[in-house]
Amino acid sequence: RKEVEQDPGPFNVPEGATVAFNCTYSNSASQSFFWYRQDCRKEPKLLMSVYSSGNEDGRFTAQLNRASQYISLLIRDSKLSDSATYLCVVSLSGGYNKLIFGAGTRLAVHP
Amino acid sequence: DAGVIQSPRHEVTEMGQEVTLRCKPISGHNSLFWYRQTMMRGLELLIYFNNNVPIDDSGMPEDRFSAKMPNASFSTLKIQPSEPRDSAVYFCASSTSGGNWETQYFGPGTRLLVL
Repeated sequence: RKEVEQDPGPFNVPEGATVAFNCTYSNSASQSFFWYRQDCRKEPKLLMSVYSSGNEDGRFTAQLNRASQYISLLIRDSKLSDSATYLCVVSLSGGYNKLIFGAGTRLAVHP
Repeated sequence: DAGVIQSPRHEVTEMGQEVTLRCKPISGHNSLFWYRQTMMRGLELLIYFNNNVPIDDSGMPEDRFSAKMPNASFSTLKIQPSEPRDSAVYFCASSTSGGNWETQYFGPGTRLLVL
């Protein structure tokens, strides 16, 4: 079983749509949680951290359920510029910030 | 401010040749990470340096791979001899420290093709 699992997509949605991505992680010792965004042929960039209480950044909302080992990302009012691959990332406790990346979910927003 | 700098951006080489990838982390960052990304395996950590010292090299595939960080502003990842299965995008990332919740900033990557 992969340490971080995501639906690979692609998710094809029209502008203005709301889209949700899900992610599960296998190691209950995971301590930190993130969503990274990767544009085609570019490097990954941090989109947002995911806190236990859930957090929001503009049109983006992230949720964490430690009991179910489940992370989600909700994008409201999708824009063409949101088209990218979204990587679910976890870090184990102890030591250093060793990031374990999911394979990513591809989003394509069309006019 | 300059981000993480990597060179070369693209490299095409023949099997058996030595390949050296270079990275300059963001100034002031004392943690440096080398990653490899392939379609099959996704993004994987190869090695982590803290204050120029290798802390975790458990992700280095085999003895053909080696990494050094001679000073705080420079790191290399060397593959010798290279094989076609080494073809991938290699990213270098840095952060202010290795602590949890620290943002890692990725360089643009080096696209390596081994023929």
